[in-house]
Amino acid sequence: AQKITQTQPGMFVQEKEAVTLDCTYDTSDPSYGLFWYKQPSSGEMIFLIYQGSYDQQNATEGRYSLNFQKARKSANLVISASQLGDSAMYFCAMREGPGGSEKLVFGKGTKLTVNP
Amino acid sequence: ETGVTQTPRHLVMGMTNKKSLKCEQHLGHNAMYWYKQSAKKPLELMFVYNFKEQTENNSVPSRFSPECPNSSHLFLHLHTLQPEDSALYLCASSQPTEYNSPLHFGNGTRLTVT
Repeated sequence: AQKITQTQPGMFVQEKEAVTLDCTYDTSDPSYGLFWYKQPSSGEMIFLIYQGSYDQQNATEGRYSLNFQKARKSANLVISASQLGDSAMYFCAMREGPGGSEKLVFGKGTKLTVNP
Repeated sequence: ETGVTQTPRHLVMGMTNKKSLKCEQHLGHNAMYWYKQSAKKPLELMFVYNFKEQTENNSVPSRFSPECPNSSHLFLHLHTLQPEDSALYLCASSQPTEYNSPLHFGNGTRLTVT
């Protein structure tokens, strides 16, 4: 079974509008962390935002915020005021277990296209 | 400039060649990783090194051989590869003692096996 599911292969958004990229996860471990990465066409994976399973508040980082719904096991990325440079692949990832567990498991990604 | 540098950026090799991918990190991290990214597939973890010791080998064929001489350098030695090994190979590093530590990736090596 997939640990990370991203159901949107592609998304389109108009410049300056907000967009939500979906991510659901599967784990029985009470301790886990969720990460979002951006991958432009150049190939580099760029870390955007982190949400811990015990965090009380949704993570925010500039124009990025995470809509974390623990009971639903979802961690959707919200990008506000989209820019043309936001066009890229976006990956959701999860780390399970307490500190010291190094592995990140990734979803298949969502390709975001920002239209002018 | 990225804190994780991978060379070469592009590599074309025949099935009988031997080549190596190099990764260097300047972030003071103690864990390093190799991931494989094929078209339309999730990133696949290949190897993990933690304080220079290999802690994960995700059922990777022996034609891929990792080497981690120190915490800053990671190599992936390639020999007798198959065309299906063509992919983007990404190196990453992190600080394993910090649970919320993200992986920092390099730009990747795009490998084509002919």
